[in-house]
Amino acid sequence: GESVGLHLPTLSVQEGDNSIINCAYSNSASDYFIWYKQESGKGPQFIIDIRSNMDKRQGQRVTVLLNKTVKHLSLQIAATQPGDSAVYFCAERIGGYQKVTFGTGTKLQVIP
Amino acid sequence: NAGVTQTPKFQVLKTGQSMTLQCAQDMNHNSMYWYRQDPGMGLRLIYYSASEGTTDKGEVPNGYNVSRLNKREFSLRLESAAPSQTSVYFCASRGALDNQPQHFGDGTRLSIL
Repeated sequence: GESVGLHLPTLSVQEGDNSIINCAYSNSASDYFIWYKQESGKGPQFIIDIRSNMDKRQGQRVTVLLNKTVKHLSLQIAATQPGDSAVYFCAERIGGYQKVTFGTGTKLQVIP
Repeated sequence: NAGVTQTPKFQVLKTGQSMTLQCAQDMNHNSMYWYRQDPGMGLRLIYYSASEGTTDKGEVPNGYNVSRLNKREFSLRLESAAPSQTSVYFCASRGALDNQPQHFGDGTRLSIL
């Protein structure tokens, strides 16, 4: 079946560098995408979302890019900090439906 | 403002025992969800409640039951726990507007021996 997935299971970056976490999705009917951050022992925390009628959205130090042509989603974190170390999930949802499909996650390790 | 609160945080059960996981949200959200999270598998939806008085099966409902007690509370019950139900369980809630994210609790870590 169709699913959301991530290209890299673990990403290590130097403190202060920019991080890019990628996600591929295969359901062309999905029109809403979400990025979550999950720290050890905690629940997923909402970071940023984007609708399919947009290709870029910016938040505080984070940017999400959506490329519908190749069904690709990315999360960019500027000036990565030790507190950014966590597992990051992308998720997709088809408009009007309750169910959200989650990827398996990418672990981001920040090297001091 | 607590958001989504889950109790208990940890629990160990013996095979065959029953258990109810509690979830409450204080954001006046219409929709509530129960997920399980297993290593390498991402979050999988067990049951959800689109609004008070309704519940629906998700991806992995077998062995579970739910109750939407009121708008704030959504409980998950294991009638006869099995080792395969060892997992971390997350409750989430979402507001009424279409494109809104789910907000999660910090989970219940359940081990079944």
